[in-house]
Amino acid sequence: SQQGEEDPQALSIQEGENATMNCSYKTSINNLQWYRQNSGRGLVHLILIRSNEREKHSGRLRVTLDTSKKSSSLLITASRAADTASYFCATDLGGSNYKLTFGKGTLLTVNP
Amino acid sequence: DVKVTQSSRYLVKRTGEKVFLECVQDMDHENMFWYRQDPGLGLRLIYFSYDVKMKEKGDIPEGYSVSREKKERFSLILESASTNQTSMYLCASSLAGTVQETQYFGPGTRLLVL
Repeated sequence: SQQGEEDPQALSIQEGENATMNCSYKTSINNLQWYRQNSGRGLVHLILIRSNEREKHSGRLRVTLDTSKKSSSLLITASRAADTASYFCATDLGGSNYKLTFGKGTLLTVNP
Repeated sequence: DVKVTQSSRYLVKRTGEKVFLECVQDMDHENMFWYRQDPGLGLRLIYFSYDVKMKEKGDIPEGYSVSREKKERFSLILESASTNQTSMYLCASSLAGTVQETQYFGPGTRLLVL
């Protein structure tokens, strides 16, 4: 199974509400990243959190990391219709590995 | 800003054809990657390259090969296209380092093999 798995698979909310997505992973990591993908487009990097960090903010995004539970969450506050996209977490496998492993994503729909 | 470009947004090929997908990045990144993305399966790594002429297999290399003759360009080759290679192909690049850093993605190529 995947190194990183997002939950839920799909989320539908109203504009102005907060959206929370979760990611669980299996092995030790150096960092965890969140990416966004608009329909039919490439992925865009949102935020990176290192294994020694617990929380990180970027604009309306807040990411937490709990290495003891091997989980992370992405919170988008005051959501907008333009936030409608798929959101992926990506983890490395530690060590000198170049690869990122992506989850299957959470499809967020923000209704106007 | 980093820019990663892919040669085609949409491509239609016939079974058995040789297919070339090109990717170019303009930020002097050492690492480049090819993924395919399919519904329900997420992104899967096909091949990656950490330097010119260097390559390593990813999770699903069968049926694919790659070429990196110049640092800025990474090509994915389907030697004999098959219908199960119909997919969205995404190229990405990143800086070198022992800890994986941010990957920058191209817009993707949607390939249909008939």
